[in-house]
Amino acid sequence: QVQLQESGPGLVKPSETLSLTCTVSGDSIIGDYWGWVRQPPGKGLEWIGSIYYSGGSNNRGSSNYNPSLKSRVTISLDTSKNQFSLSLHSVTAADTAVYYCARMGVWSSADDWGQGTLVTVSS
Amino acid sequence: DIQLTQSPAFLSASIGDRVTITCRASQAINSYLAWYQQKPGKAPKLLIYAASTLQGGVPSRFSGSGSGTEFTLTVSSLQPEDFATYYCQQLNTYPLTFGGGTKVEIK
Repeated sequence: QVQLQESGPGLVKPSETLSLTCTVSGDSIIGDYWGWVRQPPGKGLEWIGSIYYSGGSNNRGSSNYNPSLKSRVTISLDTSKNQFSLSLHSVTAADTAVYYCARMGVWSSADDWGQGTLVTVSS
Repeated sequence: DIQLTQSPAFLSASIGDRVTITCRASQAINSYLAWYQQKPGKAPKLLIYAASTLQGGVPSRFSGSGSGTEFTLTVSSLQPEDFATYYCQQLNTYPLTFGGGTKVEIK
């Protein structure tokens, strides 16, 4: 049974970079799709992006991002730690949300989720 | 982006009721649709993918149907643990988008 756990600062200042890590246990991150979803307080879900890595020394993985965030977001992998990460630059109060990491299934649905972590953007 | 419109946004029902939630897509997405259940303070849980395939461990009272632009999630007999918010998500085209959610509350 795969388990995912988000970690990172709960408070980020405006204009700075939000950085979160998702640690995966029970499954290798190689050969699967992994993604991030966020949920502002009291609101609905927003897909941030996803990444896939098939392995191989010359393969850095392929990623897809929500165009509404594309210029500010990067998702990366660390296969040595079985983790993947989210970086969101130049944050504003509108980026305050619970951030979830997820394993995506064959149909691109988010099959397994982390518990979520609240990130507040405030000075 | 593909827009998903869920209806109703809010639903009041009793234990044992049959409940149906609709999700309409702004363009055809074949059967590339998932349904999630979310309880307060918890991560969403995948119920159905490929429009009608039940995720492992999900009770059979949940079912999904539809293709193209119109989809439904049905709960055949609502149980106390089913009171939650439900979201649809299209899986056909990036960016993967969610519907606005349907909150199911106790009448």
